[in-house]
Amino acid sequence: QKEVEQDPGPLSVPEGAIVSLNCTYSNSAFQYFMWYRQYSRKGPELLMYTYSSGNKEDGRFTAQVDKSSKYISLFIRDSQPSDSATYLCAMSPGYSSASKIIFGSGTRLSIRP
Amino acid sequence: DTGVSQDPRHKITKRGQNVTFRCDPISEHNRLYWYRQTLGQGPEFLTYFQNEAQLEKSRLLSNRFSAERPKGSFSTLEIQRTEQGDSAMYLCASSYGQDKETQYFGPGTRLLVL
Repeated sequence: QKEVEQDPGPLSVPEGAIVSLNCTYSNSAFQYFMWYRQYSRKGPELLMYTYSSGNKEDGRFTAQVDKSSKYISLFIRDSQPSDSATYLCAMSPGYSSASKIIFGSGTRLSIRP
Repeated sequence: DTGVSQDPRHKITKRGQNVTFRCDPISEHNRLYWYRQTLGQGPEFLTYFQNEAQLEKSRLLSNRFSAERPKGSFSTLEIQRTEQGDSAMYLCASSYGQDKETQYFGPGTRLLVL
């Protein structure tokens, strides 16, 4: 069983919809949680990071962590076609990404105009 | 552009050949990471350096793989006697090394072994 599980999708929603992306993890040592976005044939780019349970908001994006359930989510409000990409959850032990990051398999998201 | 750069962007090779990839991190970043990503999967950690010291290696990194960062700046990843299973995107990332630092990824080198 993988340490980080993520539904691969694909997920297709109309423009303007609220998108919910989720991951579960099994290793309670994970303390630092991230969401990366990856466009086709590009490297991943960091969207958000958090290291505590609860919500963190940045513009249209909200990251949510529930350590007791080992569950993290990314919400995208007012989704745009430019949000179409693969979204990767990621996590690492300790309170930073100082060493290796463990990624989920990614969810392919398509926003229909 | 002052981001992470990787060279080449694409490489096609025949099984059994050796290949070498280069990564130039963001200037002044002292940590450098290598990941491998196959189709439909997230990146998998291979190894990382702090300055010129290789601090961790994944068990994914077989003895055919070797990585170096001789002067603590750019890094090379060499694969000897390539196999078809080595076909993947090889990603490099760098970070500054402070608490809560971000790993910035390069565009990757896509390897196809025929």
